[in-house]
Amino acid sequence: GDSVTQMEGPVTLSEEAFLTINCTYTATGYPSLFWYVQYPGEGLQLLLKATKADDKGSNKGFEATYRKETTSFHLEKGSVQVSDSAVYFCALSLNTGNQFYFGTGTSLTVIP
Amino acid sequence: NAGVTQTPKFQVLKTGQSMTLQCAQDMNHNSMYWYRQDPGMGLRLIYYSASEGTTDKGEVPNGYNVSRLNKREFSLRLESAAPSQTSVYFCASSPTPGPNYGYTFGSGTRLTVV
Repeated sequence: GDSVTQMEGPVTLSEEAFLTINCTYTATGYPSLFWYVQYPGEGLQLLLKATKADDKGSNKGFEATYRKETTSFHLEKGSVQVSDSAVYFCALSLNTGNQFYFGTGTSLTVIP
Repeated sequence: NAGVTQTPKFQVLKTGQSMTLQCAQDMNHNSMYWYRQDPGMGLRLIYYSASEGTTDKGEVPNGYNVSRLNKREFSLRLESAAPSQTSVYFCASSPTPGPNYGYTFGSGTRLTVV
């Protein structure tokens, strides 16, 4: 079935370090791919998305490229800040459906 | 601030009790959703409402009922709570059915059933 697998956390980085959170997917058809972020005590917020192969989504210094050949959508940021501490969710949607398929989430803590 | 408002934020129930989780959005969105979030399992769709007057089952609907009261409000009811329903519940909305325009999520209701 359709699913998303993302790297398990927690991840702890020092401020200004490089971040990669891996995400791979299994899907029938041609999904759209998303990264959501959940800050402590809040709901999920859309961080970025890509709707077709080779698209790059970007926002707030984060980037992810939709790689059909490796069925991946890895999240990257060149220099993390303490304010980036949150839980990050990879998700896919099928264009014919009404729902997301979410990964299990990766907790990121950035220390000064 | 505009967005999705959920009440209550926390609730403890005894097994067999009933309760309704409330959700309201003020963005004039057509579609609304209820998810549950469990450790190690991500978010799973319980029910959704593509538009006012319609509701459909998601991935894990058993033990729940929903009501789309009007365009703004979408409630989730547990008729007889069970410990397996201990979870964090999120309501979300979107302008049109389907995820491709992105969802706006509420801040969640943490429910414990003892």
